[in-house]
Amino acid sequence: QKEVEQNSGPLSVPEGAIASLNCTYSDRGSQSFFWYRQYSGKSPELIMSIYSNGDKEDGRFTAQLNKASQYVSLLIRDSQPSDSATYLCAAQLNTGTASKLTFGTGTRLQVTL
Amino acid sequence: DAMVIQNPRYQVTQFGKPVTLSCSQTLNHNVMYWYQQKSSQAPKLLFHYYDKDFNNEADTPDNFQSRRPNTSFCFLDIRSPGLGDAAMYLCATSRGLGLAGGILNTGELFFGEGSRLTVL
Repeated sequence: QKEVEQNSGPLSVPEGAIASLNCTYSDRGSQSFFWYRQYSGKSPELIMSIYSNGDKEDGRFTAQLNKASQYVSLLIRDSQPSDSATYLCAAQLNTGTASKLTFGTGTRLQVTL
Repeated sequence: DAMVIQNPRYQVTQFGKPVTLSCSQTLNHNVMYWYQQKSSQAPKLLFHYYDKDFNNEADTPDNFQSRRPNTSFCFLDIRSPGLGDAAMYLCATSRGLGLAGGILNTGELFFGEGSRLTVL
């Protein structure tokens, strides 16, 4: 079982629409969650972090966390063609003596004109 | 601007010919990581340093070695590259938060632009 699972996509949304990206994780002890954006051929870039249940908003991005369901999501409002990229979800598990960050394989988002 | 710089951006090598990739950072972060990423796959952690303490992932092949001579620099050595080692190699940094009894690395990673390795 993959530790962090994402639908690979592509997820295609029209410009101006809301893109909804989803992620589930298997280790219930995971405490911190992150969304990274990766353009084709480029390196990942952190766009959101979320540590507690609920919503966290930053500009057009909203991260949602539900630890009971082991579910993390990223909403992108007013999607733009420049949002077209692969979005990697990552979960961090801290054991007290070490921490481990596990990435999903990413969801490819295509924003169409 | 503070940043993470990787060199070279593109490296072509022959099967079995050693390669060294470098990473430097001006963020003054105490944790540095090396990830391997193949097409359409998740970044795979090879190893990381907390200050000078080296942490190797259990499934990282012996073919991969690393050095961190100081806070700012880190190197990835691939001693005998095989065709399966062709990938993007990503260096990343983060703040490590020392806690009593343990170490917490934040998951907020800052990545360099990557070094793409081709093996002929």
